[in-house]
Amino acid sequence: DAGVIQSPRHEVTEMGQEVTLRCKPISGHNSLFWYRQTMMRGLELLIYFNNNVPIDDSGMPEDRFSAKMPNASFSTLKIQPSEPRDSAVYFCASAPGVESRNEKLFFGSGTQLSVL
Amino acid sequence: SQQGEEDPQALSIQEGENATMNCSYKTSINNLQWYRQNSGRGLVHLILIRSNEREKHSGRLRVTLDTSKKSSSLLITASRAADTASYFCATDARSNTGKLIFGQGTTLQVKP
Repeated sequence: DAGVIQSPRHEVTEMGQEVTLRCKPISGHNSLFWYRQTMMRGLELLIYFNNNVPIDDSGMPEDRFSAKMPNASFSTLKIQPSEPRDSAVYFCASAPGVESRNEKLFFGSGTQLSVL
Repeated sequence: SQQGEEDPQALSIQEGENATMNCSYKTSINNLQWYRQNSGRGLVHLILIRSNEREKHSGRLRVTLDTSKKSSSLLITASRAADTASYFCATDARSNTGKLIFGQGTTLQVKP
């Protein structure tokens, strides 16, 4: 199994541009998480899907952020418009999610986003 | 808000010594997990302890859980330079629907 696959690995963009981050979870996993990591704020949970349905999006910073999971094998996190304070490493993670218990998350390698 | 808070923030030891990291949390949990992150990489699951367990071992790792104090500790015995990484605790709060909240992490440096 290839594990959780995220793309791109690095993204450099200018303020105001739209950014789309992509994630392919491990086949068969029911839960998918998007986290953001910065030195100042650590690992923040942005949104959590279970069976393709958003369960908790209370961590999404503002309306500029949106996430979708159109099917079990693909999710996107979009920032529009992007701002310099969005610069961070964005991680996607998936889990088997049996009975809504996420007892082992598998993380992707992350997308390093720099907004200039 | 962060559910888990690790202590210390940073730890530096010599190879062969033991390393102990602590995690405190705020609400009742179903389980507590520990993860490791090497620089520039994603997190890797190390061990899970359930709320009805008090201690768990996995190789050189020993995890304890004290639900009355809402705290957990991770002990790495006979540390190696390769153990240099950041370590995070994560909690699956009982009131939640499966989401995992991570603490701020402890950065461990093991000197050869």
